[in-house]
Amino acid sequence: ETGVTQTPRHLVMGMTNKKSLKCEQHLGHNAMYWYKQSAKKPLELMFVYSLEERVENNSVPSRFSPECPNSSHLFLHLHTLQPEDSALYLCASSQLTDNYGYTFGSGTRLTVV
Amino acid sequence: QKEVEQNSGPLSVPEGAIASLNCTYSDRGSQSFFWYRQYSGKSPELIMFIYSNGDKEDGRFTAQLNKASQYVSLLIRDSQPSDSATYLCAVTATTDSWGKLQFGAGTQVVVTP
Repeated sequence: ETGVTQTPRHLVMGMTNKKSLKCEQHLGHNAMYWYKQSAKKPLELMFVYSLEERVENNSVPSRFSPECPNSSHLFLHLHTLQPEDSALYLCASSQLTDNYGYTFGSGTRLTVV
Repeated sequence: QKEVEQNSGPLSVPEGAIASLNCTYSDRGSQSFFWYRQYSGKSPELIMFIYSNGDKEDGRFTAQLNKASQYVSLLIRDSQPSDSATYLCAVTATTDSWGKLQFGAGTQVVVTP
């Protein structure tokens, strides 16, 4: 595996379900990010992890819960979501000292029904 | 107030012509600027980055930066149908050191044969 891998690619869940999104980076980067992308809107930063420590939580509702067990893995735990949470969820990683921008995963298309 | 602004398009460009995309940003302290290409249903991929005022060329792509005017642009020469995508402008935020990027909503480019 190379780059940034996200699973699942597609997810349909009911409002009462609990699910998790997974992200794994194989680049040796030291920062990981969760972004939400809704139609016709800019990418919205949700969470930032640097060296496994959460350094930013961008006023995200508590129904989204991130977890970073090590520098290569990032999870986004979902529970009691709302239909407006349907979006493309993107994981990204970067090397803070390099300043070469992000490498994105392929994203998870989430639909809340 | 939007912090990174782009025309949403669509920008229609004949095959072989030059596509010109513009981006303005509000954070005067931003130091690094990125252009990402995003195909429909896919995740963004980095195509250019620029740090210094002036032009930077990479193949058919040229990024132009003017920090005094808070303006960055992307030129695509000899446009091909495969260049049809949404182009996202991103700039670093200066309020922290976590490599956070602020994204514009993107400009859709359609290259017509």
